[in-house]
Amino acid sequence: AQTVTQSQPEMSVQEAETVTLSCTYDTSESDYYLFWYKQPPSRQMILVIRQEAYKQQNATENRFSVNFQKAAKSFSLKISDSQLGDAAMYFCAYRSGAGTASKLTFGTGTRLQVTL
Amino acid sequence: EPEVTQTPSHQVTQMGQEVILRCVPISNHLYFYWYRQILGQKVEFLVSFYNNEISEKSEIFDDQFSVERPDGSNFTLKIRSTKLEDSAMYFCASGRGDRGETQYFGPGTRLLVL
Repeated sequence: AQTVTQSQPEMSVQEAETVTLSCTYDTSESDYYLFWYKQPPSRQMILVIRQEAYKQQNATENRFSVNFQKAAKSFSLKISDSQLGDAAMYFCAYRSGAGTASKLTFGTGTRLQVTL
Repeated sequence: EPEVTQTPSHQVTQMGQEVILRCVPISNHLYFYWYRQILGQKVEFLVSFYNNEISEKSEIFDDQFSVERPDGSNFTLKIRSTKLEDSAMYFCASGRGDRGETQYFGPGTRLLVL
């Protein structure tokens, strides 16, 4: 079974600074997808960014980018120019590429605080 | 932009009562999911559903749970006899089902069992 590990329960960053959230995963599959979801205090799950394992190029979405290291099974999220609205719980998630309707397996989350 | 909706946003029930949580997935999506998040814990998969059948279910999804797509738009999760430990946030998600789909989540239903 796949597992996702987020080793940082909490992180803090100053506004306008850059922060990196860590995620590692364990799988024997070669075809899979990785996601970062943001959960603000409203508790809604909002997709931040996704990465296809077969792509070597790291995904980027505005101020959010990932560092995907397939051999190391690492998938970190970098938030540049942090804003107060980035404060939230961030979950890393894994999805198998085998078949359709594959479930998401989530990590335990990292709570990000953004300070002035 | 289309989105997944869920009702109710909050539900308080007595232990042993039945609850039905409702979801309206994005209209052109074919795959539907339920996840739950106990307060302070990670999000856990419950069940996936496609073509009016369960595709996969977790060990959490025991006989007290059932899912249904009663019409062309709604997707429901029924908990037959609620327990205290069922108190959680329940998220519905939907996806197109293509390879590498992104699952889009609803805002969740906060269930409290007393």
